[in-house]
This record gives sequence, structure tokens and C-alpha cells, in this order.
Amino acid sequence: ETGVTQTPRHLVMGMTNKKSLKCEQHLGHNAMYWYKQSAKKPLELMFVYNFKEQTENNSVPSRFSPECPNSSHLFLHLHTLQPEDSALYLCASSPYRGDTQYFGPGTRLTVL
Amino acid sequence: QKEVEQDPGPLSVPEGAIVSLNCTYSNSAFQYFMWYRQYSRKGPELLMYTYSSGNKEDGRFTAQVDKSSKYISLFIRDSQPSDSATYLCAMRRSGGSNYKLTFGKGTLLTVNP
Repeated sequence: ETGVTQTPRHLVMGMTNKKSLKCEQHLGHNAMYWYKQSAKKPLELMFVYNFKEQTENNSVPSRFSPECPNSSHLFLHLHTLQPEDSALYLCASSPYRGDTQYFGPGTRLTVL
Repeated sequence: QKEVEQDPGPLSVPEGAIVSLNCTYSNSAFQYFMWYRQYSRKGPELLMYTYSSGNKEDGRFTAQVDKSSKYISLFIRDSQPSDSATYLCAMRRSGGSNYKLTFGKGTLLTVNP
């Protein structure tokens, strides 16, 4: 595997479910990001991790919980989501925070 | 006023046409400007990266920044059907602590054979 990978690629969940999104980067980068991409809206930055430390929480509701166990892996834990949370969730990484960001293919999330 | 404005299109052109994609912005502190290309069901990929004002060319693609007008452009020469995608502009301020990218909404481009 090369670049930034994300699993699953598609996820359908009910409002009471708990699920997790996984991101892995094979680029040796030190910064990782979660973005939300909704139709007709710009990409919204959700969380930033730099050397495994969270450095940004962009006023994201607590039903989204990130985890970064090491510089290569990033998770987004989801619980009691709302239908308006349905979107494409993109993971990105960069050599250092502020460098060029490289994106994964995204997870298409549908909340019923 | 939104920080970054980008016409969402859709834009449809015949193969071989010159395509012009544009973004305007309001924050004069932006110094780094990027264009990302996003194919359907894929993540954005970096296409062009420029600093401050001026032009940058890479093959059929030219990025142009006019800071005095707060206006950036991406030109695609001899457009191909494989160029059909959504094009996102993004920008950020200078300095290591200013890592946040501000994106436009994206312009959907279709190049017809």
C-alpha cells in the first residue's frame, strides 16, 4: 500500500450505532488531519494531529472522537450521529504541520 | 463575505478547449495558493502549489496569482476528457503555525470528447 489509505470506503450506520473510521499513511509524515466534505460546501477541517498530539479541534461535536496512536495511524470514532453528519470524511497527512497535505480516498458515510 | 469564493459550475467544454478556473479571496494575509483536483469517489490530489504572486506552469497547467486583486486562476490548455473532475482552490497564510487551509467549494469540470 502506498500513500494514504482509508477504511472502510463506504459506511451506513444508524443513529444509535458506534463505528470507527481508520486512516493509515505510508509516507513517513508527522502530521495527520480529518476533514469533512459535504455537498456544496468547502472542505471543513475537523482535527489536526502533530507528532501524535492533537493540536486542533475545530469546534467538532463530541459525537466525533479522534484517536492517533502513532504518526502513521488515525482513527475517527463515531457514536450517536445525526443524519446531517452524512458526508465524505477525508484523512490527509503532511511531512510537518503546514506542509503540503496528501489526501486519502475518503470514507462515504451515510447516517440513517 | 466568504473568505474564498469559487464558482461551483458545472463547467462543460469540448476536448481541446482552454479552461479557466478562478477563485477570489478576501484575506490579504494568504500567501500560499494551491489547486487540488478531485475525481469522482476519490480524495483531492495536489495539482499546483504557488507562493505569493506570479505564474507557475506545469505541462498543460498554469497557475496564476494576482494578490493585488485577490484573485487566483488555473488554466488548462488542450483539455482532455481525463481532466474531467472537481477542481478545488485552497490557500493559507505564511508561518509554520498557520497550517490551516481554506478551501473553495470546488468547480465541477466536464471535458466532452
